[in-house]
Formats: sequence, structure tokens, C-alpha cells
Amino acid sequence: QSALTQPRSVSGSPGQSVTISCTGTSSDVGGYNYVSWYQQHPGKAPKLMIYDVSKRPSGVPDRFSGSKSGNTASLTISGLQAEDEADYYCCSYAGSYSYVVFGGGTKLTVL
Amino acid sequence: EVQLVESGGGLVQPGRSLRLSCTASGFTFGDYAMSWVRQAPGKGLEWVGFIRSKAYGGTTEYAASVKGRFTISRDDSKSIAYLQMNSLKTEDTAVYYCTRDGDPIVVVVAATQRENYYYYYMDVWGKGTTVTVSS
Repeated sequence: QSALTQPRSVSGSPGQSVTISCTGTSSDVGGYNYVSWYQQHPGKAPKLMIYDVSKRPSGVPDRFSGSKSGNTASLTISGLQAEDEADYYCCSYAGSYSYVVFGGGTKLTVL
Repeated sequence: EVQLVESGGGLVQPGRSLRLSCTASGFTFGDYAMSWVRQAPGKGLEWVGFIRSKAYGGTTEYAASVKGRFTISRDDSKSIAYLQMNSLKTEDTAVYYCTRDGDPIVVVVAATQRENYYYYYMDVWGKGTTVTVSS
């Protein structure tokens, strides 16, 4: 069982928006503004999409945005495109004992 | 081009050891902390551990599931990070990714006012190397 809880799957049609949630506790997501998100296509390595809750690395489209409220972080993808279909993982700093925790992953299907 | 290339994976029997290597190029390796992340077949990502840069002590932190069995080291002169895996278990079967860590989280220890540095996001990933632990 993963430390952070994500929905197993979400779906949306091209052009729509989808939001993926990531629920933790006050010891990880809720305690720090250190949440990152990764996109992973089948058979490929993960790719950093969001860090520090809402910052986008250069090259990541601004269709991808992150936010946090309490113990739940969210990744929103607007203007869905076919190439967005992938698995998405959240990750949080969890303090100086557990260090880093991942969510179980969410499969995004573009209908 | 910034690149990480893992090597050293393979089939190994339970209880045996294996060492993975991660060769970096395209950036100043010694300036960065490096992490290992694994992914069991059909499962999610699991953080294994990281090694700080020499500037921040070159020390390591590990996930509870591997602490005492796995050791991360680095050779900055060769731009290589290593993952030494001992006493391997079947549940260690996974694709192992080498990653470059982002900016550090600075934590000040109240009692000593000493700064510790932690890492939680990975901005560059290798393609991974597969480790299968089976008899």
C-alpha cells in the first residue's frame, strides 16, 4: 500500500480538463509545500511535470498545473490531448525520517 | 544533452549481491544529489535512497525497506553513482532508475542549528535497468 492515495484511473475527452488527486497526511503532503508530479508513458521512464506543488520545469506545457489544499494535492491537466494518456504519480517530502513517499499512480485515459 | 545511463542489472539469486551503476553526462555531476527509484513489475514508483553532493556532505539516506542492505555511493571523478544491493530478496525485483535530484530542502536542526539537506523531486531520469531476484 502506497503512502499517498491516488485514484486508480481517471478519464476525459480531448479538450476537456481532468484533475488527479493525491491524499496524504499532515506528515507529508499537508506538512510541507514539497509535492511533485511525474508522467510515465508505458515502457518509459517517468518525467517530472510539477515540483514544489505548482512549479513547472521548463518545457512542460502550461496545460499542466498543480495545487494543494490541506492534506490533498492535485494535478490538473487542461485542454487534454491524446499524448497526455499516461500514468501519473505524485510524490511528497515526508520529513527527515521517511524522506520521500510516492502515490500509487493514476492511469489517465483520453477517450 | 543531460543523460543518465544505468547498467548492471540482471538475474540474481535471493541472498546474493548486485551492484548497479549510473553514468551521467551533460552536466556537472558533482554539483548534484542523486537518487535511486525502483518500480516493481506492474506496480508504482518506490524511492530507494539518495546521496548528497560532496558540498553537502556526500551522505546518504535510505528507505526503510532497503536500509542496511543497500548502499549508494558516488565517484565524482567518473560521474558515476552506484547502488550496491546485498542480501537481495524476491521483492527487490524491479526496474531501477537513477535520477538527478532537484534543489535541496534545507532543514535546520534546532538543537545544534546545523543545516541538513534533503531531496524529494527528481528532474532527470535514466531509462532504468532491470533486476530480477529469483532462484
